[in-house]
Amino acid sequence: EDQVTQSPEALRLQEGESSSLNCSYTVSGLRGLFWYRQDPGKGPEFLFTLYSAGEEKEKERLKATLTKKESFLHITAPKPEDSATYLCAVQSISGGYNKLIFGAGTRLAVHP
Amino acid sequence: GAVVSQHPSWVICKSGTSVKIECRSLDFQATTMFWYRQFPKQSLMLMATSNEGSKATYEQGVEKDKFLINHASLTLSTLTVTSAHPEDSSFYICSARDPGLQYQETQYFGPGTRLLVL
Repeated sequence: EDQVTQSPEALRLQEGESSSLNCSYTVSGLRGLFWYRQDPGKGPEFLFTLYSAGEEKEKERLKATLTKKESFLHITAPKPEDSATYLCAVQSISGGYNKLIFGAGTRLAVHP
Repeated sequence: GAVVSQHPSWVICKSGTSVKIECRSLDFQATTMFWYRQFPKQSLMLMATSNEGSKATYEQGVEKDKFLINHASLTLSTLTVTSAHPEDSSFYICSARDPGLQYQETQYFGPGTRLLVL
């Protein structure tokens, strides 16, 4: 069964304190791995799509990496506005273009 | 690009009434849209896949007679919660894929609709 586990469940950082969020996955053939950011009471905002092991993508203070078993979202010198829940989702080849399986998310709080 | 809107953003209704939620792709045509449900402090669960011009595909455990989905055009899908009850109170979010993009797998989400059934 396809599964996504995110850790930690919650993370508190001081402004400027870099860290990483983890997304471990089990899937029968990976079509894609997705990172989203969700603010309270809003829909998820797309960040990155990763397709194959070794792939990396960057956007401002965020960098996503992918291995055959997990993905990391690295946050460099975070600011308070980076506070949000970060969601990881996978799409399997068997699931086609439709089904995204989400992890429970990591709630990030960045304090000044 | 790839902007998805939802209306209304929140709705309060009495138990037994029906509520319709609209999902629109604003700058692209979406042959497929998706409806998710999210409970507080939980992740998103796919309810159904909405296909333009055909019947929706529901996930296991989702009552198709209770959650009616219509995808009448390439830019609009609607979710109607029929005979709503308090346990239907939740955050409903739609998403869509942009077939015009190089990588078609990415789903773009709407802002969500908060439903409270009294």
